[in-house]
Amino acid sequence: GAVVSQHPSWVICKSGTSVKIECRSLDFQATTMFWYRQFPKQSLMLMATSNEGSKATYEQGVEKDKFLINHASLTLSTLTVTSAHPEDSSFYICSAGSSGTISTDTQYFGPGTRLTVL
Amino acid sequence: GDSVTQMEGPVTLSEEAFLTINCTYTATGYPSLFWYVQYPGEGLQLLLKATKADDKGSNKGFEATYRKETTSFHLEKGSVQVSDSAVYFCALMNNNAGNMLTFGGGTRLMVKP
Repeated sequence: GAVVSQHPSWVICKSGTSVKIECRSLDFQATTMFWYRQFPKQSLMLMATSNEGSKATYEQGVEKDKFLINHASLTLSTLTVTSAHPEDSSFYICSAGSSGTISTDTQYFGPGTRLTVL
Repeated sequence: GDSVTQMEGPVTLSEEAFLTINCTYTATGYPSLFWYVQYPGEGLQLLLKATKADDKGSNKGFEATYRKETTSFHLEKGSVQVSDSAVYFCALMNNNAGNMLTFGGGTRLMVKP
């Protein structure tokens, strides 16, 4: 149990386009989802926290108008990188936490999405 | 604020060697502690966790003990395999902070046959 999927796993896009990344909890209800960004050979940087049905809370320095997060249901959160530029190229990872039957003090991570902006 | 410090890598070992990756933390209250592993090109997988002092988390031959007196959660394995090559992240979750995870910088382990 506690599987989180992300789609797509890899995306290449042209500068100026928008890219949507989906994060799904497959076998549990995720009341909270987290979005991270990871640069090569570095640790994860928390971008934002989203709770189902409410606005996401962004970390300092993260542009909310550039990284749009929607958490419309208990199993789906989306991150949209708007008007992507090469500096947005990175590995984006989501995680999900639950208040349900699985452990509430554990985050379960998706496999990540590698974004390359040309 | 909360923070996690882990030894810098890369750590290079021969197969069947003993592994220790040090991790210390600073936090208010009583956080839960985690080790996550990231294999090349993949997301993070929970390796083990401990939720209170003196708890020992263990999985796949890895273990770590929550030491409140030394604020440490060192990862150990008695005999590493080539397939253990990955990046290991120590992390804490402080329930006072909305279940957010605070990560260490990660330690790359390379195991040679």
